Order: sequence, then C-alpha cells, then structure tokens
Amino acid sequence: GEDVEQSLFLSVREGDSSVINCTYTDSSSTYLYWYKQEPGAGLQLLTYIFSNMDMKQDQRLTVLLNKKDKHLSLRIADTQTGDSAIYFCAVLNSGGGADGLTFGKGTHLIIQP
Amino acid sequence: GAVVSQHPSWVICKSGTSVKIECRSLDFQATTMFWYRQFPKQSLMLMATSNEGSKATYEQGVEKDKFLINHASLTLSTLTVTSAHPEDSSFYICSARSVGVLNEQFFGPGTRLTVL
Repeated sequence: GEDVEQSLFLSVREGDSSVINCTYTDSSSTYLYWYKQEPGAGLQLLTYIFSNMDMKQDQRLTVLLNKKDKHLSLRIADTQTGDSAIYFCAVLNSGGGADGLTFGKGTHLIIQP
Repeated sequence: GAVVSQHPSWVICKSGTSVKIECRSLDFQATTMFWYRQFPKQSLMLMATSNEGSKATYEQGVEKDKFLINHASLTLSTLTVTSAHPEDSSFYICSARSVGVLNEQFFGPGTRLTVL
C-alpha cells in the first residue's frame, strides 16, 4: 500500500518562509493534499494539487510536486504565529473514487519569535 | 466551503458501554463518508469507508462488529463503538465527499472519546 513520510518537526523564525516536505511511494497517486490541524481541532484543508501539475500557488502557500521523485512540498511565506500547527500531507490513489486518503504522520511547525 | 459536523465533540463513558458518534454534511450531499482514528501525536488512520445505502468497507485490522457504521442518508453517517474499552479512547474524525466533487474530502471537527 501507499506509504507517506514527513519529518516530525520544523522550527522557523517568524517572518521567514517554512518549507514542509513529504514523500510518497505510490506513483499512481492522483491528488495530493495538505491539511492543517491546530491543537485539539479537526483538519482544515489548506490546498491540494493534481498529479499532472508541478506547482500551485495560493496566497502565502506554494505547493511543489516532483512526480519523478515522488516528493511534495508546502512553502508558507512570511510565517506567522498563527501558522503554528501540525501539517499533514495526504495522498489519494487512483484505485477508485471511493478510497480514503493515506496520511503522513504530520509535521509540527514551531514558530520562534 | 462545505461544512461537516460531528456530534458529540467529546464523550466520556464507562468501559463496556456503547457510544454513537454522528457525522453530518450540513450543506451538501455526501455519497461517501470516511471514518478516521487519530491517536495522540500520531497520524490519522482510515478505519472504514461508508457509502450511502450499502455496507461499510473496513480497513484491515478494524473490527467491523466493534465499530458499527451506518450511512442511512446522504447527509448522515454514524459510528457506534460497541462495548468500549480504554484502548478505544481516541480522536475520531469523519470526512465526507460531496456528490459533485469527487476528490475533495471535507473533514468534521472530530470527537474525543475517553473510556474509563
């Protein structure tokens, strides 16, 4: 099955850019997502990218997809204290529209003042 | 965006009792709903896929007799944890896929279950 990997922690200074990385194993992955989870809360969809795209930008968020290396990244420009959360990479495979997502373990984004 | 609610947001129960968690899509119809479980400081694990009007499909290792899922309408799915034990304590999150948007899942806020 699909395996999705992320580093567990990322620490950045307020105002700098944050880059959260994710790797996956199934080359048939169709949609790739980034979710944000604040303490004690559910998941908030930040953005997603279809597998035939290389990049997607949405305000402060930039998603880069390297399909050859099966590598996905999320860049948050001008990181703010409100960005402090756990960020999950999730992948949808092409096995059928009813399949659930495979999640990485999540990256804790820590903002230093 | 589409809104998914869960009820209750948290529940504490005694060991051996059953607990029902509801997942509702508030402003769209969901042919498919998913139930995930999240342990502290860990990722979400898909438990089962629920399609309206049919039996749920459970992931390997998930006991279907323990985690009963019912998807009676296009806006409601329920997860019942039967004969709950302390090891069932977890954060349960549902998501729903709308009829028109095949690949976007909208997540509920989650239900914190604590079994004493």
